[in-house]
Amino acid sequence: AQRVTQPEKLLSVFKGAPVELKCNYSYSGSPELFWYVQYSRQRLQLLLRHISRESIKGFTADLNKGETSFHLKKPFAQEEDSAMYYCALSRFYGGSQGNLIFGKGTKLSVKP
Amino acid sequence: EPEVTQTPSHQVTQMGQEVILRCVPISNHLYFYWYRQILGQKVEFLVSFYNNEISEKSEIFDDQFSVERPDGSNFTLKIRSTKLEDSAMYFCASKQGSGANVLTFGAGSRLTVL
Repeated sequence: AQRVTQPEKLLSVFKGAPVELKCNYSYSGSPELFWYVQYSRQRLQLLLRHISRESIKGFTADLNKGETSFHLKKPFAQEEDSAMYYCALSRFYGGSQGNLIFGKGTKLSVKP
Repeated sequence: EPEVTQTPSHQVTQMGQEVILRCVPISNHLYFYWYRQILGQKVEFLVSFYNNEISEKSEIFDDQFSVERPDGSNFTLKIRSTKLEDSAMYFCASKQGSGANVLTFGAGSRLTVL
């Protein structure tokens, strides 16, 4: 079964500390992985996708097919990073590319 | 920056009533989606729509649900006879084409069924 697991409901760190939000997936085919972010009172927005291999707002995520993981990392957290983070998976090819399977989300709280 | 617009932002309805949630996707986008999020749970895929027809739907999207693109700009989700368990945040999303797998989400419509 296709599944995305985010084991932490809440992650609380101090400003300047490193952050790692965990995401593991279960998928039989070739997946595309995403991180979406939802800031307070704002809409879900794409943070990054694994095929882009880019750093957005200091965040990076590497797809580890052996461990079926796509953890989100940032070396120095900022208060403005406080938000809800969702890991999501989609089929890489085919007409169903936009049918995302989401994890339950991790609320990141960065304290001053 | 172009946005996906959803109305209403919040709707309260009685059980058994019909509800229509409206979405205006980004104008040059071709793929449209509805997702929902029950309070405290994950965002779940409901249905995808392309070329004026449903391309895929989930188990949640039963006969009580329907989607329509009535006038080339709006994309609607209708729930024919609402149940208590339909209370959720409903998100519309759109995607430009089959290449880049990047969805733009609306702000959501909160549905409360009493």
